[in-house]
Amino acid sequence: GEDVEQSLFLSVREGDSSVINCTYTDSSSTYLYWYKQEPGAGLQLLTYIFSNMDMKQDQRLTVLLNKKDKHLSLRIADTQTGDSAIYFCAESSSASKIIFGSGTRLSIRP
Amino acid sequence: NAGVTQTPKFRVLKTGQSMTLLCAQDMNHEYMYWYRQDPGMGLRLIHYSVGEGTTAKGEVPDGYNVSRLKKQNFLLGLESAAPSQTSVYFCASSYPTGLAGPSSYNEQFFGPGTRLTVL
Repeated sequence: GEDVEQSLFLSVREGDSSVINCTYTDSSSTYLYWYKQEPGAGLQLLTYIFSNMDMKQDQRLTVLLNKKDKHLSLRIADTQTGDSAIYFCAESSSASKIIFGSGTRLSIRP
Repeated sequence: NAGVTQTPKFRVLKTGQSMTLLCAQDMNHEYMYWYRQDPGMGLRLIHYSVGEGTTAKGEVPDGYNVSRLKKQNFLLGLESAAPSQTSVYFCASSYPTGLAGPSSYNEQFFGPGTRLTVL
């Protein structure tokens, strides 16, 4: 079945870049998503990438997609304290559902 | 627009009690979802609906029932609560666009969550 895996924790120093990695199994997924969950809140879409793209950049965010290895990454440049959150990778598994990873908790060190 | 709202925000139940969680959206979205979030397990889909009057089982449907009598509302019921149902519950809605199947773009909009404790 479909599965999305990511590491549970990442700690980075303020000002450094954060790289969150994700692997997925469904090669038919056309869209892959990154969601952000701040403490006590629901998830919000951060960015997404279409499967025929290798890279997508949006201000401090860079998404890299390696379709051959089914590997997705999210890079946050110049990480700030406001970036502390849980980041979820997700793939579209059907017309109606998307599959979420377990989430990576990003903490920022001063 | 209020987006997706959930009531209540918090609830404590005793084992065996029943309750209903209400989700409402004002974006005219066709699809609605109920997830539970547990530490280290991400989001797991309980039930979902692709339109008014329809429901379908997700990954972890046992012990829950749902109803979608109106397009804007999606209710999640626990008939006999168990401690294993202690969790944070999130509702989401979406309006997939593009081609059908995994090719559709399906941004989901989430509510703020309901924290449920079953003693």
